[in-house]
Amino acid sequence: NAGVTQTPKFRILKIGQSMTLQCAQDMNHNYMYWYRQDPGMGLKLIYYSVGAGITDKGEVPNGYNVSRSTTEDFPLRLELAAPSQTSVYFCASSYSDNQPQHFGDGTRLSIL
Amino acid sequence: QQQVKQSPQSLIVQKGGIPIINCAYENTAFDYFPWYQQFPGKGPALLIAIRPDVSEKKEGRFTISFNKSAKQFSLHIMDSQPGDSATYFCAASRNNDMRFGAGTRLTVKP
Repeated sequence: NAGVTQTPKFRILKIGQSMTLQCAQDMNHNYMYWYRQDPGMGLKLIYYSVGAGITDKGEVPNGYNVSRSTTEDFPLRLELAAPSQTSVYFCASSYSDNQPQHFGDGTRLSIL
Repeated sequence: QQQVKQSPQSLIVQKGGIPIINCAYENTAFDYFPWYQQFPGKGPALLIAIRPDVSEKKEGRFTISFNKSAKQFSLHIMDSQPGDSATYFCAASRNNDMRFGAGTRLTVKP
C-alpha cells in the first residue's frame, strides 16, 4: 500500500512559469486536500474535494486550480508562478470529513 | 487571523520528561481536534485526536486534555524518548475546514 504519493519531490520554477503537482492515493478515499506549509506558519488549506467531479476552495486558493476526474488523483495547478508560492505542498486524503487525514511526503517548490 | 494558536514554538526536555504542548482555538463550531507529528522531510502523521464531548483521551504515551469552556486543548507525552523529537501540530476542524497551529519543535535529549 503506497498511501498518498506526490510527485515531484522538488522543483524550481521561474516566475511566470506553470506546473502541475501530482497527487495520487490508493486507499479509495473520497476526500482529498491540498495544503501549503510555510516556515513557522503551520499548514493552510488550498483546495479540497469530496469526490470525483467536486472541488471547493479552502483558506488560500488564489493562484491555484484543481481538478478531480477520478477518485485516485487530485492534481494542483499553478498557472503563473509567483515568488509568494514558494512553499512545501502537501496532499492528503481521508475517508470522510473529520476523519484522520493521510498525508504524502510533500513537494518542495521554489520560485525564483 | 490565526484561528488556532499553539505554544510553545520550541521545547527541549530530557529523556523521560513530560513535554506539554498547548493550543487554543477561536471558533466554537470546531468539532474535531487532531494532533499531528511531523519528521523532517515527511508529511504530518496523525498521532491522536479528540472530539469535544470528552475531556481526555489516552493512546499509549500520548494524552490529549480538552477544556471546552476555555477553548483549549493540550498534548502530553509521557516518558518522552529521543525518537519523539519532531514537530507537533495541533489542529481544529469542522466539516472540511481544518485549521492548523504553527507547530512546536520538540527535542528530547538522551
